[in-house]
Amino acid sequence: DGGITQSPKYLFRKEGQNVTLSCEQNLNHDAMYWYRQDPGQGLRLIYYSQIVNDFQKGDIAEGYSVSREKKESFPLTVTSAQKNPTAFYLCASSARQGARSEKLFFGSGTQLSVL
Amino acid sequence: AQSVTQPDIHITVSEGASLELRCNYSYGATPYLFWYVQSPGQGLQLLLKYFSGDTLVQGIKGFEAEFKRSQSSFNLRKPSVHWSDAAEYFCAVGAGNTPLVFGKGTRLSVIA
Repeated sequence: DGGITQSPKYLFRKEGQNVTLSCEQNLNHDAMYWYRQDPGQGLRLIYYSQIVNDFQKGDIAEGYSVSREKKESFPLTVTSAQKNPTAFYLCASSARQGARSEKLFFGSGTQLSVL
Repeated sequence: AQSVTQPDIHITVSEGASLELRCNYSYGATPYLFWYVQSPGQGLQLLLKYFSGDTLVQGIKGFEAEFKRSQSSFNLRKPSVHWSDAAEYFCAVGAGNTPLVFGKGTRLSVIA
């Protein structure tokens, strides 16, 4: 079945550690997104990518980094500079960038916690 | 830039009762409007969307929403709620070539 796979489901980070969240899609979508979800805060955009080897910062990019070396993959690294990383992270994709076609397909999320 | 407000953080309804979740947006032109639903610990699923045309939009699971330009609203409705509808609901607005902006969500509880 086509879809978006996020791994791991749960992740724990130690102080000063970088961690990477995986997001893979087999929908042949051009655009991919990372959102952070905190209770009562809705979804906030971290980074998005419209095409391979290109990505843009969202509203809360500080302390995060991404890469888009392959169309199907868009990993998110939470760096030690992100002082409050505990949150639920959602990856999404859409056929192409642009609101009119922007039915987003979401993964099942990764819960990141700090030890 | 566009923005979305969902005034109700948490709503509780009885099973079989009707439901209306409110969504107000801010955008200068006609936006593209969406409602998504999220079950606990899961991703979001699209319920319905409005791009243009008929202002009453039908979605999955018996939901509908009405676009009212004069009120800058896109409220979600369901005539009879089922216990399985308990979830968090997000309104989102899109414009031009920019990513969607989501509201903070409304959590729906359903009681017997």
